[in-house]
Amino acid sequence: LAKTTQPISMDSYEGQEVNITCSHNNIATNDYITWYQQFPSQGPRFIIQGYKTKVTNEVASLFIPADRKSSTLSLPRVSLSDTAVYYCLVGPYGGATNKLIFGTGTLLAVQP
Amino acid sequence: NAGVTQTPKFRVLKTGQSMTLLCAQDMNHEYMYWYRQDPGMGLRLIHYSVGEGTTAKGEVPDGYNVSRLKKQNFLLGLESAAPSQTSVYFCASSYGSGQYQETQYFGPGTRLLVL
Repeated sequence: LAKTTQPISMDSYEGQEVNITCSHNNIATNDYITWYQQFPSQGPRFIIQGYKTKVTNEVASLFIPADRKSSTLSLPRVSLSDTAVYYCLVGPYGGATNKLIFGTGTLLAVQP
Repeated sequence: NAGVTQTPKFRVLKTGQSMTLLCAQDMNHEYMYWYRQDPGMGLRLIHYSVGEGTTAKGEVPDGYNVSRLKKQNFLLGLESAAPSQTSVYFCASSYGSGQYQETQYFGPGTRLLVL
């Protein structure tokens, strides 16, 4: 499974757009990129998943360049409630198991 | 739907004691998982199950046993608790299409302190 590298922490202010970049230099052809969000004292929650180019949902956007060696999670106009740890995961789509490999994630702190 | 629930929410054990953590899901998911989360370590997979009556080892299985007697329940047992097992334990489930990276739904966690 491809190893991911993310910043340990980021700071932002309410109303700003936040971009969290994940590096995955060893990503394989059949790997997908998935982001989870974890609030304090809660389990992780799925945010978004993509393979290439851009994916957008009601919560976030995911940008993946052509070489797929990195990806960027974009959170538009963050609020205090977006303070959480964000995990980038990379793994194959397909197979008999569904094991997730979580790194240490990025702690996003949103200030007023 | 309650989603994924975990019992108990918090527990204190003495070294050598045993206990069972219960995970229940009401989404009719085939796959279920147990993770532990330690400070600065992210989540690590302990055991998982791809269906009723089946279990498999994850990344850190030593010291734990699991059982999946019913599709909706996944039990995690500690036969002889050790201080190194102090952690937050999360249960998760997924639909079970056999496709990696399908969304996993997590429970609220169980905080375990072993003295």
